[in-house]
Amino acid sequence: KAGVTQTPRYLIKTRGQQVTLSCSPISGHRSVSWYQQTPGQGLQFLFEYFSETQRNKGNFPGRFSGRQFSNSRSEMNVSTLELGDSALYLCASKTSSGGAADTQYFGPGTRLTVL
Amino acid sequence: AQSVTQPDIHITVSEGASLELRCNYSYGATPYLFWYVQSPGQGLQLLLKYFSGDTLVQGIKGFEAEFKRSQSSFNLRKPSVHWSDAAEYFCAVAPYNNNDMRFGAGTRLTVKP
Repeated sequence: KAGVTQTPRYLIKTRGQQVTLSCSPISGHRSVSWYQQTPGQGLQFLFEYFSETQRNKGNFPGRFSGRQFSNSRSEMNVSTLELGDSALYLCASKTSSGGAADTQYFGPGTRLTVL
Repeated sequence: AQSVTQPDIHITVSEGASLELRCNYSYGATPYLFWYVQSPGQGLQLLLKYFSGDTLVQGIKGFEAEFKRSQSSFNLRKPSVHWSDAAEYFCAVAPYNNNDMRFGAGTRLTVKP
């Protein structure tokens, strides 16, 4: 079974632009979560989607948004990019949204650099 | 609020030596506890997790962790480290009902030959 895939793997943008990152979960997984990883703040939860609905949201500004499609694929969008948005963005999937008992599987991440 | 502390930013051990990575958590109830490993340029791989029951949890790659409620700790151990274990290790906590997982700052492990 293929793992979680994220595209693109690397991305360079300039301040003020917007960016869309994509995540394809493991087949059969309906929950997709997004995390931001930076050297200063570490790993932080962005949001979780299940059955095309946002279930949980972390403490990030409204510039960060996401969506999930009927095939469980998810996209994350960041508008009006700031230098501080430079980070590794990780996507994780699991079978259900029922809780932490269900193991999350992480993708390799998208490395976003904002110049 | 839930939080996780990994007191050691960087640890160096010799190949074949034993390893213990520390993790302390703060949470209103017993949370779900996890250890993940991240190799350079890679995502996170789950080593083990604890929900309830036996406080000594066995994971993959020869790792184990012990949950100590009285100390709010969940330390990761391995009896004999291999060079391939060099990576960054993250402890995490999560409530039972959602994915708002909180991670520690991570401990970078270097293995000396």
